[in-house]
Amino acid sequence: EVQLLESGGGLVQPGGSLRLSCTGSGFIFSNYALSWVRQAPGRGLEWVSAISASGGDTFYADSVQGRFSISRENSRNTVFLHMDNLGAEDAAVYYCAKVRVTFIDPDAFDVWGQGTMVTVSS
Amino acid sequence: DIQMTQSPSTLSASVGDRVTITCRASQSISDWLAWYQQRPGRAPELLIYKASNSQSGVPSRFSGSGSGTEFTLTINSLQPEDFATYYCQQYNTYSRTFGQGTKVEV
Repeated sequence: EVQLLESGGGLVQPGGSLRLSCTGSGFIFSNYALSWVRQAPGRGLEWVSAISASGGDTFYADSVQGRFSISRENSRNTVFLHMDNLGAEDAAVYYCAKVRVTFIDPDAFDVWGQGTMVTVSS
Repeated sequence: DIQMTQSPSTLSASVGDRVTITCRASQSISDWLAWYQQRPGRAPELLIYKASNSQSGVPSRFSGSGSGTEFTLTINSLQPEDFATYYCQQYNTYSRTFGQGTKVEV
């Protein structure tokens, strides 16, 4: 079964940092681009960042550019999202999502993780 | 960035109804559009990709159409499990964007 499992969420103070992880299984991880998508409580979906299959290309939403950094370790089937200078506007459930087709990005997301919650509060 | 606007924001319907949700892009996105369903407390699930292609395992009552800037998601014969929120998403550009969502409620 194709799965994505996020971890690393939690409570962080304003201005703090956090690193999220997403581990994939059931597919050839290194063949697929991955994205992070977030959803603030009671709000809609917001794409945050993407990384190509090789990790050589990265993309960010304007709202996180310069504060967030995406990376991946294909040997560990894991993608990371490092988040700095967090503010209240960053509080959300963060989902990891896999594109549908190998080596293609952007593409529709056919598999999503269950999400990990980030809370920003003093 | 390309803006995606869904209408309506909320839709009241009954089991057995035919439901149509519209998504408009602020500029042409060809057919690089996906539709997702999200039930409360769950991750989104892909229904339609490339505007009109059904994802494997999705019931045939779900269909998508459109190209350019205007798209529709149609649900024929609404089932109890279809009461959820639906999102469109453009992936014409790397800065992919979602619509604000349409909640289908009883």
